[in-house]
Amino acid sequence: GAGVSQSPSNKVTEKGKDVELRCDPISGHTALYWYRQSLGQGLEFLIYFQGNSAPDKSGLPSDRFSAERTGGSVSTLTIQRTQQEDSAVYLCASSSSWSERERGPDTQYFGPGTRLTVL
Amino acid sequence: AQSVTQPDIHITVSEGASLELRCNYSYGATPYLFWYVQSPGQGLQLLLKYFSGDTLVQGIKGFEAEFKRSQSSFNLRKPSVHWSDAAEYFCAAAIKAAGNKLTFGGGTRVLVKP
Repeated sequence: GAGVSQSPSNKVTEKGKDVELRCDPISGHTALYWYRQSLGQGLEFLIYFQGNSAPDKSGLPSDRFSAERTGGSVSTLTIQRTQQEDSAVYLCASSSSWSERERGPDTQYFGPGTRLTVL
Repeated sequence: AQSVTQPDIHITVSEGASLELRCNYSYGATPYLFWYVQSPGQGLQLLLKYFSGDTLVQGIKGFEAEFKRSQSSFNLRKPSVHWSDAAEYFCAAAIKAAGNKLTFGGGTRVLVKP
């Protein structure tokens, strides 16, 4: 079946512009995560959606970052007034959240990422 | 603070030789533990995971990992590496109370010599 897809695969923007990054999770997955991978900070959590619950925004680095998940499916990560330090690969992952059989978190399946370059 | 540490940034290994990647975690209680691999231009793929029970877990691509509570470690091993194992490997941890969001180590880049 189809995996997690992200678009665009690459985005080059000028400092100060807004960007939107899209994630299409695996159908039926209730949990959706955004992570960022950069040279300086490694792989870091940004935000987490679970069903209809309020998102966990604890990893967002500033109020320029926001995300929404519409209809429990597609998610958009928005970065306003981009800065050069926002340059990174933004990764989206989805999962079924919890595996009763394994008594542990279900596997997070990652998309290919969006490489953002801020000039 | 909760953290995952991978002490080795780079490891070079000859094809056919064994490989061990180190991972240590710092959590109040034992978290769920994972190893992911990221090949050049590819997304992150789960190799294996540990939740509880048998401390030696088997994964895909011939990898295994051993959980040692006394050392707060979850080291990844492979008896005989193939050139296709050249990639970056990430250890990660999660706890249910935090929504199972992953905390990653800094990664270990593995180079395979012919």
